[in-house]
Amino acid sequence: KQEVTQIPAALSVPEGENLVLNCSFTDSAIYNLQWFRQDPGKGLTSLLLIQSSQREQTSGRLNASLDKSSGRSTLYIAASQPGDSATYLCAASGNTGKLIFGQGTTLQVKP
Amino acid sequence: DVKVTQSSRYLVKRTGEKVFLECVQDMDHENMFWYRQDPGLGLRLIYFSYDVKMKEKGDIPEGYSVSREKKERFSLILESASTNQTSMYLCASSLSGLRAFFGQGTRLTVV
Repeated sequence: KQEVTQIPAALSVPEGENLVLNCSFTDSAIYNLQWFRQDPGKGLTSLLLIQSSQREQTSGRLNASLDKSSGRSTLYIAASQPGDSATYLCAASGNTGKLIFGQGTTLQVKP
Repeated sequence: DVKVTQSSRYLVKRTGEKVFLECVQDMDHENMFWYRQDPGLGLRLIYFSYDVKMKEKGDIPEGYSVSREKKERFSLILESASTNQTSMYLCASSLSGLRAFFGQGTRLTVV
């Protein structure tokens, strides 16, 4: 059974810092790995999707990497801003399309 | 852009009531999901549907059922609501291998 873990559970950084969020998964036979953002009381917004054959994906200040062999993915946020404050979740998907989520990292970026 | 719409943002129901949560997507996605989200427990999959009339139990199906009679609509049914089903419920849809899109969430309170 796939299990997804995110460390740390919470993170507070000053504005402008570069930061890395971590995601690990137990079953390397994933189809893809997605990163989501969730603002308080809202639904999830998809940020990046990495297919199993890919190593990384980039969107603006966000870069996500995937290492299937070690069961890890990282989300790198460059030059963080207060507007980046949110909860970030990763989810691993098998070939059925089912998404298994980590518990998320709550990020606070202080002005 | 894909739109996933949940029928209610907030619901208050009484213990023992039969509760219907509706979710509609407008992009012909074959996969649809129902999750519940609780503090400290993250997102847990209740049910998953990969086609019309096809469903698969997630991690916590007890006390819930689902219906998917049309491709665009996926309903979650609480057969007899209980206070431990008070939670945020999130619906999502996807094409296999591609990004998942979430609704805005329904915060259900059972009193």
